[in-house]
Formats: sequence, structure tokens, C-alpha cells
Amino acid sequence: AQSVTQPDIHITVSEGASLELRCNYSYGATPYLFWYVQSPGQGLQLLLKYFSGDTLVQGIKGFEAEFKRSQSSFNLRKPSVHWSDAAEYFCALYKTSYDKVIFGPGTSLSVIP
Amino acid sequence: GAVVSQHPSRVICKSGTSVKIECRSLDFQATTMFWYRQFPKQSLMLMATSNEGSKATYEQGVEKDKFLINHASLTLSTLTVTSAHPEDSSFYICSARAGTGHTEAFFGQGTRLTVV
Repeated sequence: AQSVTQPDIHITVSEGASLELRCNYSYGATPYLFWYVQSPGQGLQLLLKYFSGDTLVQGIKGFEAEFKRSQSSFNLRKPSVHWSDAAEYFCALYKTSYDKVIFGPGTSLSVIP
Repeated sequence: GAVVSQHPSRVICKSGTSVKIECRSLDFQATTMFWYRQFPKQSLMLMATSNEGSKATYEQGVEKDKFLINHASLTLSTLTVTSAHPEDSSFYICSARAGTGHTEAFFGQGTRLTVV
């Protein structure tokens, strides 16, 4: 069973518009959740993470994410997208019992002028 | 954040030869390193987890004799693709973690392997 799903394979937004990337997870224990960004041919950069506490998490580059346990979601948002935000975005879940990070399938973001 | 250096960034090798990829944590000691494989337009698939001084733990379906992982020191792990074939062509990414559990792991830049 897929532990992390990202319903949107590809999203296109206009520069300056708001953005929301969806992520849903399936895990019985306490979820530790991450959002990463990957530029073409590059490794991954951590945008933000949720371990506990405040369910609204602030990250780098103006991104934020909200953890909603009732919806098993951890959606990523940005109020105003810049052309440089075009990249692949991965939601990830750390599975405590297996000591491993499971990545979602990714969402490709395109930004149009 | 901490820096993880992966080398080489690109490599082309002939079918049947072996290729070694290095993953170094430059400013921290990595007790655990992870190796991933990423196909075009796809997500990262965990291949194996290595702890310094121990044998690597491979994911189901990953051939341990083909993908040799060594984590001999707290700052270096290597992945050797032995007897490479064209189907091994892929993007390989390592990550390194200083602590345990859910502490953040830092990623290398990735290695594009092309087997011809």
C-alpha cells in the first residue's frame, strides 16, 4: 500500500499566483513528514518538516505546510509563486518502525509568466 | 544545513564494467547513509541503508551482489555498481543522517549513471 500519495502529477500556475500542493499519508503511528524540492538533475533540498507541535509549519523560500491529522494530509502552500519555484516537489514520510523515509510520487510544478 | 557531497555527478561506463559512487558528509559525522535510485520523472526508491561499520540493509528486490555498499567511516559511503548493464542506467542519490530516527537527512547532488 502506498504510504504517501500526491494526487497531482503536474501543476501549472502563473507567477504571482498562490500554490497548494497536496500530500496524503497512510501510517498508523506518529507521522514525521517532510517536503523536499528537486531541481532537474539535482539532489533534494528540504523545504520544511513536521515532527510535532504547531500544525502549521514554516519553511524556507516562503513555503508553509499544514498538518491535518483528521485528513491525513500535509499540504504545501505558498502565497505567491516565483518563476524559480518551478521544480519537482516530493512529500515524504519517516516510518519509525522501519527507520526509513518513504517518498511520494512527486508533483511537477511549472510556472508561467 | 549540512553538506553532503556526491561524486561523480555524471559517469558513463561500458557494459560489464564496475562503477563506484562516493557519498561524503563534509561537515558532520553520518551514522547512517541511504542510497536511492530515481528513474526519469519518478520518485526516489530506497535501495539500501548503511550504518557505519555494519553491513548495509538492502530493500526487497535490490541485488546486494550487484550494488555493493560500503560505509567504512563516519563521513564516507560508497556504492559500487558491479558488472553494469544498460538497465542500471539511472540517477542515484545518497543521503546522510547524523542522528537517529526522524532527524533530518541531507542529500547529495546525485549521480547520473549511463551504461553504454
